Amino acid sequence: DAKTTQPNSMESNEEEPVHLPCNHSTISGTDYIHWYRQLPSQGPEYVIHGLTSNVNNRMASLAIAEDRKSSTLILHRATLRDAAVYYCILRVPQGGSEKLVFGKGTKLTVNP
Amino acid sequence: GAGVSQTPSNKVTEKGKYVELRCDPISGHTALYWYRQSLGQGPEFLIYFQGTGAADDSGLPNDRFFAVRPEGSVSTLKIQRTERGDSAVYLCASSPNIGQGGGLDTQYFGPGTRLTVL
Repeated sequence: DAKTTQPNSMESNEEEPVHLPCNHSTISGTDYIHWYRQLPSQGPEYVIHGLTSNVNNRMASLAIAEDRKSSTLILHRATLRDAAVYYCILRVPQGGSEKLVFGKGTKLTVNP
Repeated sequence: GAGVSQTPSNKVTEKGKYVELRCDPISGHTALYWYRQSLGQGPEFLIYFQGTGAADDSGLPNDRFFAVRPEGSVSTLKIQRTERGDSAVYLCASSPNIGQGGGLDTQYFGPGTRLTVL
């Protein structure tokens, strides 16, 4: 599985936007970019995924660079409940293992 | 509806003992996964079931670890002769595996079982 690189930690203020970066310079043309997050004392939860185009859902937006070597998860207005570890994961759409390969992720702190 | 549940939520055992950890997936989900998470690390894959069979057990660290899913729903992770290094949170996830092809099914995680080996 291709490797991703994320900052260890980031800090934000409540109700401000947050941009969480992820580098994946060895991504292959068919790898999907997935984001999961893990709130304290809980299991990870799915946030969003994309291939080439930017994606929006009720939780977040995903901006993917044109060369696909990096992506950014955008939380438009951070709340205290968004404090979590955010994981950027590459997944193969066909024939790859079904498992998720987690790195250490980015620990997001949201200040009131 | 009900999410993935795991029991017990906490398990304390002594070195050398045998433990079983249980996972109840979301009803109808055919795929089930076990992960292990040590402090400060991301979850680490252990084993993946498709129905009753283990489709990928490449993450099991050694032969002390074994998992079953006899009827294609509930799964049990079994650890023999526990060691202090087995202490971690054991996470279970399930997915509907709706035929999108490898890697696109969303995985739904349970809250985990915290195992402490004294």
